[in-house]
Amino acid sequence: DTEVTQTPKHLVMGMTNKKSLKCEQHMGHRAMYWYKQKAKKPPELMFVYSYEKLSINESVPSRFSPECPNSSLLNLHLHALQPEDSALYLCASSQEEAGGQDEQFFGPGTRLTVL
Amino acid sequence: AQKITQTQPGMFVQEKEAVTLDCTYDTSDPSYGLFWYKQPSSGEMIFLIYQGSYDQQNATEGRYSLNFQKARKSANLVISASQLGDSAMYFCAMRGFNTNAGKSTFGDGTTLTVKP
Repeated sequence: DTEVTQTPKHLVMGMTNKKSLKCEQHMGHRAMYWYKQKAKKPPELMFVYSYEKLSINESVPSRFSPECPNSSLLNLHLHALQPEDSALYLCASSQEEAGGQDEQFFGPGTRLTVL
Repeated sequence: AQKITQTQPGMFVQEKEAVTLDCTYDTSDPSYGLFWYKQPSSGEMIFLIYQGSYDQQNATEGRYSLNFQKARKSANLVISASQLGDSAMYFCAMRGFNTNAGKSTFGDGTTLTVKP
């Protein structure tokens, strides 16, 4: 199984809502990532988890809260978002974090709209 | 620091012809990996091909090949026999083996349109 799944595919939320994005992989990968991508732009790294521990936080606002409950699951909890947070949120995994030769497997993404 | 430059915002190619997408890079890492990803309008990033900095031969994967010129710091993607389904955005990316190993640096992307 070489697939990363993400739910939901689309999400519309108000600025006062709390929601969560979910990501799952069953490839035995030890590194998982959250990216934010605006239209026609490259993905921007948000968080990296390695062996279920937060390894990298790219100075992301606290209204985004990541969680890694186990080695296969990665969540992104959203609270009090702003309209400028509307974007495609991509989850990815790779064999190891420190593997320059490891390709990242990406999920299909969640298209988030904040009203 | 790592930097990827893709100088072609948009490219057009006739179906069944070959096309080259340019990528140049800069890094202080002595060892690194270079990747190409395809992103159709649906949004999913699809891994295409990998080239290691110490690989002696250029990487090939089916219709995709990577023209790696280390001295020039370039890693161009060549797509042979273009198909309509190749229309997408293409990103060149890099990962270091040592510093910043967890961070992939992406270029700004090239939008490829295949004409029938």
